[in-house]
Formats: sequence, structure tokens, C-alpha cells
Amino acid sequence: DAGVTQSPTHLIKTRGQHVTLRCSPISGHKSVSWYQQVLGQGPQFIFQYYEKEERGRGNFPDRFSARQFPNYSSELNVNALLLGDSALYLCASSSQGSSFGYTFGSGTRLTVV
Amino acid sequence: AQSVTQLGSHVSVSEGALVLLRCNYSSSVPPYLFWYVQYPNQGLQLLLKYTSAATLVKGINGFEAEFKKSETSFHLTKPSAHMSDAAEYFCAVTSTGGGNKLTFGTGTQLKVEL
Repeated sequence: DAGVTQSPTHLIKTRGQHVTLRCSPISGHKSVSWYQQVLGQGPQFIFQYYEKEERGRGNFPDRFSARQFPNYSSELNVNALLLGDSALYLCASSSQGSSFGYTFGSGTRLTVV
Repeated sequence: AQSVTQLGSHVSVSEGALVLLRCNYSSSVPPYLFWYVQYPNQGLQLLLKYTSAATLVKGINGFEAEFKKSETSFHLTKPSAHMSDAAEYFCAVTSTGGGNKLTFGTGTQLKVEL
């Protein structure tokens, strides 16, 4: 079975631009979460979606948004990029709630210049 | 609010020596606790998890962790380090109330020397 897949793996954007990151969860997993990992730090929670509904939001500005599609894949959108948005963006999927643990993808490395 | 504290941002051990990575948690409700490992330029891999069953949890690659409520700790151990264990390790917490997010510690970089 395929794990959590994220695309693209790397990208470089200019300040002020918009970016869309994509995630496909493990087959059968209905929950998708997004995390931002700045170099040298632990991942920080951005969003969680379950059955296409937002179930949690971290302390991130409104420039960050996400959605989940009927096939449970998800997109993370970031508008008006800042240099500080440079990070590894991780997607995680879960089958049933937090007790089952989350399976993470390999991430998208975003560099804002 | 929940949080975890990982003591020691860098730990160095000799190959074959005991690995001990420390994690203390803070939670007002019974927690679920996790250890993840991250190799360079990769995502996070689940090593083990505590979800209120047995307090001694065995994970992959010979790692285990013990949940100690009295000490609010969930330290990760491995009896004998291998070179391939060199990586960054993250402790994380979520709640039994259907918590929507994992709260991670700042990570511990494990170095294994010959």
C-alpha cells in the first residue's frame, strides 16, 4: 500500500506569491492534518480535516487555508508568502482519531526568496 | 493546554551503548503519547505510542518507552545503539478527548559514535 504522498517535494517561491501543496492520505484514512516544521524545530500544527470538514486549526494567520476533497486528499494554500514561511510542510493521515497515531508523508520543502 | 519537553537537544552515545532520550509531558487530561523519528530530508516515522493500555510500550527497531504518570514522563530507550539510529527524535502528545492535533517537543538529535 502507498503511504502518505505529498507533492511537490521541493519548490521555491518569491515573497508575495501564492503556493498550493497537495497531500494524498493512506487509502481508507479519512483524516488529514498539516504541520509546518521550521528548520531546527518540532512540527507545528496548522490544520486538521476529517470527512471534508475542518476539525482543528493551529495558531497560523489567515493567509493559510486548506481543504479536503471527496477522495480525502487535501490541499494547503498559503497566500502572500513571507520569508518566514520557508519550512518543511508535512501532511499526516489517520484512520480513526488520535489514538491510532498519525502516518506522515515525506513533506514538501518550501523555500521563499 | 498540552505540551512536551524534551531534555537535551543533542545526545551522543557509543555504538552498543544504552540510548535514553527524555520526554516529560504536561496534560490536564489523560494523554496519548508518541515517539517519532526523522531521518535527514525525510518525514516522521512512528516509533511507538502510548494510548492508556500497557505502560511499557515496545516499538520498532528495538525501542521502547515507559509511561510514568507519577513522573509525567515518557522516556525512550534502546539497550544497544546502532549507527543507523542516528537521527532526530520527537516526542508528541495529544489527548484522549479526540484531540485534533499532535503537540511536538523540540526534538533530540541522536549521534552514534564508533
